[in-house]
Amino acid sequence: QKEVEQDPGPLSVPEGAIVSLNCTYSNSAFQYFMWYRQYSRKGPELLMYTYSSGNKEDGRFTAQVDKSSKYISLFIRDSQPSDSATYLCAMSFLFSGAGSYQLTFGKGTKLSVIP
Amino acid sequence: EADIYQTPRYLVIGTGKKITLECSQTMGHDKMYWYQQDPGMELHLIHYSYGVNSTEKGDLSSESTVSRIRTEHFPLTLESARPSHTSQYLCASIGGGLNEQFFGPGTRLTVL
Repeated sequence: QKEVEQDPGPLSVPEGAIVSLNCTYSNSAFQYFMWYRQYSRKGPELLMYTYSSGNKEDGRFTAQVDKSSKYISLFIRDSQPSDSATYLCAMSFLFSGAGSYQLTFGKGTKLSVIP
Repeated sequence: EADIYQTPRYLVIGTGKKITLECSQTMGHDKMYWYQQDPGMELHLIHYSYGVNSTEKGDLSSESTVSRIRTEHFPLTLESARPSHTSQYLCASIGGGLNEQFFGPGTRLTVL
């Protein structure tokens, strides 16, 4: 079983729709949960990160973490064609001795928002 | 905009060649990482560094090597490229916290 599972899609939605992207994970030691957006032929760009459980909102984006279910979600409201990209989830725990992180990624979900 | 750079962006080479992929950042980040990304697959960590003269291998077995002689520079070297090395290589750095992380644009390597 992979540590992080993410449905690769592709997912196609009409402009203005609410998009829900999800990942599940198996390692209960993960404490940090991240979502990235990656446009074609570019590096990933960090969208949001949350620590432990709960919700975090930033404009049209909301990240949710449910540690009891080992399930994280990213919601995009009023989706725009410019949101068309691959969305990656990633998780980490903190190596306190080195003060550093190692990220474990999902495969990414390819999203297309149709005008 | 992120101040992390990778060169070259695209590289096509023959089998057996030695290559170095460059990664530089001007943010003074201690933590730097190399990932390999194949289409439709996860990013896999191949090397990381927590600071000057610190390098470690990641989860994915790789025939590449890295060095960290200066904080801003984290080059990756393949001594003898093979077709199995064909992939996209992404460099990243993290500053004080996870909210300070940036990826470079990637190097797309093709080995013939």
